[in-house]
Amino acid sequence: DVKVTQSSRYLVKRTGEKVFLECVQDMDHENMFWYRQDPGLGLRLIYFSYDVKMKEKGDIPEGYSVSREKKERFSLILESASTNQTSMYLCASSSPIYKETQYFGPGTRLLVL
Amino acid sequence: AQSVTQPDIHITVSEGASLELRCNYSYGATPYLFWYVQSPGQGLQLLLKYFSGDTLVQGIKGFEAEFKRSQSSFNLRKPSVHWSDAAEYFCAVRLRDTGRRALTFGSGTRLQVQP
Repeated sequence: DVKVTQSSRYLVKRTGEKVFLECVQDMDHENMFWYRQDPGLGLRLIYFSYDVKMKEKGDIPEGYSVSREKKERFSLILESASTNQTSMYLCASSSPIYKETQYFGPGTRLLVL
Repeated sequence: AQSVTQPDIHITVSEGASLELRCNYSYGATPYLFWYVQSPGQGLQLLLKYFSGDTLVQGIKGFEAEFKRSQSSFNLRKPSVHWSDAAEYFCAVRLRDTGRRALTFGSGTRLQVQP
């Protein structure tokens, strides 16, 4: 079974803090994704990566950056957290072998005070 | 604009009743189609997917979905709902033969099950 893990289930941070969200997958998938989920808006793509050190902006990249130094790990960085970044963050991975079927981690619920 | 629509924000059914959740997409060509389920506080779990072939696909937990090209729909069904099916359900699509590897999601349908 595909396993995608996220470093924290819940995080509370203060405005202006730098925040790191970590995601690890164990299926050797080429692609990894970060989404945020807000009520009534579904999932919106922040960034994705199709290879080590490669990344592309998604639909809402403002205020975020990412890092992929190893194939299995994809980090989302909030350079200076703001209250409007309070949300649920979901990581996913996929491979073209499976027609990009995405497998998700359990999510990190972030509260920025 | 290209989009995925789940017209029902919230549905309530009685345990044992049948269920149908609607999903429509507006893309020029048939995309890859997915249904995911999210239990409270959890990540998304893949229920089923459609790539090609038989338009009725079976998934986990007794769910099935039918692709109808003429209606640009991919509705999710279950003949008899169990209380444990209470969750939020997301339809998602991925365009074929494009560089976009990410999925586009509908806004979700929250299912409540009455005893």
